[in-house]
Amino acid sequence: ETGVTQTPRHLVMGMTNKKSLKCEQHLGHNAMYWYKQSAKKPLELMFVYSLEERVENNSVPSRFSPECPNSSHLFLHLHTLQPEDSALYLCASSQAGEANNEQFFGPGTRLTVL
Amino acid sequence: AQSVAQPEDQVNVAEGNPLTVKCTYSVSGNPYLFWYVQYPNRGLQFLLKYITGDNLVKGSYGFEAEFNKSQTSFHLKKPSALVSDSALYFCAVRDPGYQKVTFGTGTKLQVIP
Repeated sequence: ETGVTQTPRHLVMGMTNKKSLKCEQHLGHNAMYWYKQSAKKPLELMFVYSLEERVENNSVPSRFSPECPNSSHLFLHLHTLQPEDSALYLCASSQAGEANNEQFFGPGTRLTVL
Repeated sequence: AQSVAQPEDQVNVAEGNPLTVKCTYSVSGNPYLFWYVQYPNRGLQFLLKYITGDNLVKGSYGFEAEFNKSQTSFHLKKPSALVSDSALYFCAVRDPGYQKVTFGTGTKLQVIP
């Protein structure tokens, strides 16, 4: 596999379920990101990990819990979500240390909360 | 603070005609500017970026963008649009003093055959 992969691609869950989104990057990068994409809204940065440490947490509700076990893998653990959390969740990676480095995105997980 | 604006939700252009997708930004320092494209059911894909130097930046698929400091703009352009260019385009800005990139709301480009 090349680039940034995300699983699952689609997820439907009830408000009481617990699920996890997985992201893996094969680019040798050392920074990873979670974004939320909702229709007609700017891309919302949720979390940033640089060198496996969380460096940004954009006031995200605690029902979203990230985990970065190593520089290639990133998880987003979900529990007791709300219907308004339905969105496309995008993972991205980049090379940390240079502010002008572009990000490489995965295809996203389309999440529907019933 | 940093921000970016894409004033058009949608741009329609006939195939073969030149296209422009607009972007303006606000930063306190010298900006790094990016354009990304998103095709249906896909993640964002990097097109081009401005760091410093030549104001005209060339990128993938024949796209280019012009950095205009006095107008704080970074419009995306292509001389001749293709139907396959139809997608969602995002402008993004990063002030070197900030940890994160700020994305615009996106502009849907529709190229009409």
